[in-house]
Amino acid sequence: DSGVTQTPKHLITATGQRVTLRCSPRSGDLSVYWYQQSLDQGLQFLIQYYNGEERAKGNILERFSAQQFPDLHSELNLSSLELGDSALYFCASSPATTGLDGYTFGSGTRLTVV
Amino acid sequence: AQKITQTQPGMFVQEKEAVTLDCTYDTSDPSYGLFWYKQPSSGEMIFLIYQGSYDQQNATEGRYSLNFQKARKSANLVISASQLGDSAMYFCAMREYQAGTALIFGKGTTLSVSS
Repeated sequence: DSGVTQTPKHLITATGQRVTLRCSPRSGDLSVYWYQQSLDQGLQFLIQYYNGEERAKGNILERFSAQQFPDLHSELNLSSLELGDSALYFCASSPATTGLDGYTFGSGTRLTVV
Repeated sequence: AQKITQTQPGMFVQEKEAVTLDCTYDTSDPSYGLFWYKQPSSGEMIFLIYQGSYDQQNATEGRYSLNFQKARKSANLVISASQLGDSAMYFCAMREYQAGTALIFGKGTTLSVSS
């Protein structure tokens, strides 16, 4: 157990729908990162939050949004889903925004859009 | 331009042999970190080893070592005495500290270990 908890582990939904992925970071970590892993694009950074505030944006679509709550858990909202959104979505956490620290990853949420 | 390049889509090695997985990177940031992660077929991302740009010595963690050649901008992962359980996808990643970027990953190398 890495200490980063992601729910649900699997999600199957139809095109056009909206889903919410949840992440609880490792105890004491203030930063949360979301990544999308697909076969053709590899691991793509989506967005980062630090202590409740958005810190960095990567290749995140406008249909996607995220937030980090006061208890530091984070949610990634995916709307108007398309077949191409099928992927493994990872959440990772780290103690701070900068510094010589690596990320601890959750086990991922596998999203299948049908 | 690719920040992290892993040129070997797949590598094959026999048990107990050593294997080197290649990684080159591109950055103008003087302060950066290089990471290797393992992703078995179950899907989780497992941190293996870290090398900082100012580290004078190559990082080692058990059977894993990182061959850091700063001038060549390469950070190859060496796995000694391969085991069947090492079969997985391996990702090289970089974080640029002055630029404050998030961890950027290469495309990965699939390692297959046979008996």
